[in-house]
Amino acid sequence: EPEVTQTPSHQVTQMGQEVILRCVPISNHLYFYWYRQILGQKVEFLVSFYNNEISEKSEIFDDQFSVERPDGSNFTLKIRSTKLEDSAMYFCASRPDYGYTFGSGTRLTVV
Amino acid sequence: KQEVTQIPAALSVPEGENLVLNCSFTDSAIYNLQWFRQDPGKGLTSLLLIQSSQREQTSGRLNASLDKSSGRSTLYIAASQPGDSATYLCAVWGIYNQGGKLIFGQGTELSVKP
Repeated sequence: EPEVTQTPSHQVTQMGQEVILRCVPISNHLYFYWYRQILGQKVEFLVSFYNNEISEKSEIFDDQFSVERPDGSNFTLKIRSTKLEDSAMYFCASRPDYGYTFGSGTRLTVV
Repeated sequence: KQEVTQIPAALSVPEGENLVLNCSFTDSAIYNLQWFRQDPGKGLTSLLLIQSSQREQTSGRLNASLDKSSGRSTLYIAASQPGDSATYLCAVWGIYNQGGKLIFGQGTELSVKP
């Protein structure tokens, strides 16, 4: 069964550093997403991406965040200057028309 | 603003019991509702997707129902097994979210004791 692949599975970074989280969505899917889950809290939407542009973003997704689909297969989330409160599990997801498939997540720890 | 609530927050049952997990949402204008399973520290595994025009979906021992007008969905697990222990999340896609954003509940943490 096709999977959404995320790398790395765990990343530790120092506050103020830039991080790039990587995802390979399912190849025939058209819509791509990033969500995050702070420990003990709900899964929350960050951004949706379609046709090579952002279609919607949440209040969380400020100027420190950016997304890119650089080569038609990878989908990346960049955090320019990490804060302690960015520590969370970050999930990539993709879908065709209906029905999401999520990746296994990247646990980001900011120290 | 859409809010999704899941009750109970945690549930512990002996193996073999049938159980029901509840999900409610405040805005009935939805395209679909999806149930996920999350193992500790892991990703989200899709269990069932119910379109707004459907009343229920079944997969193996799982059955999900949807009552859009009352803003409720239930996930029924038959003959529970220890391997069913996980957190179960429901999420809705509202019709005003053309980008397909999901709004999640906080989950029900299920523990099935052998």
